[in-house]
Amino acid sequence: GAGVSQSPRYKVAKRGQDVALRCDPISGHVSLFWYQQALGQGPEFLTYFQNEAQLDKSGLPSDRFFAERPEGSVSTLKIQRTQQEDSAVYLCASSFPEGERLNTEAFFGQGTRLTVV
Amino acid sequence: TQLLEQSPQFLSIQEGENLTVYCNSSSVFSSLQWYRQEPGEGPVLLVTVVTGGEVKKLKRLTFQFGDARKDSSLHITAAQTGDTGLYLCAGPSYNTDKLIFGTGTRLQVFP
Repeated sequence: GAGVSQSPRYKVAKRGQDVALRCDPISGHVSLFWYQQALGQGPEFLTYFQNEAQLDKSGLPSDRFFAERPEGSVSTLKIQRTQQEDSAVYLCASSFPEGERLNTEAFFGQGTRLTVV
Repeated sequence: TQLLEQSPQFLSIQEGENLTVYCNSSSVFSSLQWYRQEPGEGPVLLVTVVTGGEVKKLKRLTFQFGDARKDSSLHITAAQTGDTGLYLCAGPSYNTDKLIFGTGTRLQVFP
């Protein structure tokens, strides 16, 4: 597609519920990132894939958070047993057209706003 | 750990005023980027600065990369209401593609 697409745009979950957030990166982009953003703050890194390989998951706040990108394109961020502190906007970004590495510009989706009640 | 601190955190000004936003780190970055984010949207890249001392201009916006590549600034001349948004600096982590974001500066420009 033309840009990074995330779904759903909004998700309300009851505490303890599992959620799955989807990211469709720009076609051909090798790198895919997940960030968590609190209101008015800068995005905080969660995890990073290069193709299907998860190279860095140091930002995942707990073992309730899990991300995958099985075929090197679409990615899913799963949060198990959601807690109120998980409420945030989850941003996905992709970068580096395949075969090219000129800069680190990241193209972001619109994000998924998760509210845990 | 590479950290990027931005100041000020909030800025509220009237149209026509000038402003400067700062992005500082104790670490050296190979490049720094500036993004602008509007409510309900993802950040959008404004500029990338790569060389120490580099100055780039984008209409009324002037971006500077410090000589030591540890800091950057964004100067807006004659601010307009359309400049309202969250401004973020970001830089790549050591030897990875991962971007580290600054703490953000929320700018509100009033008519």
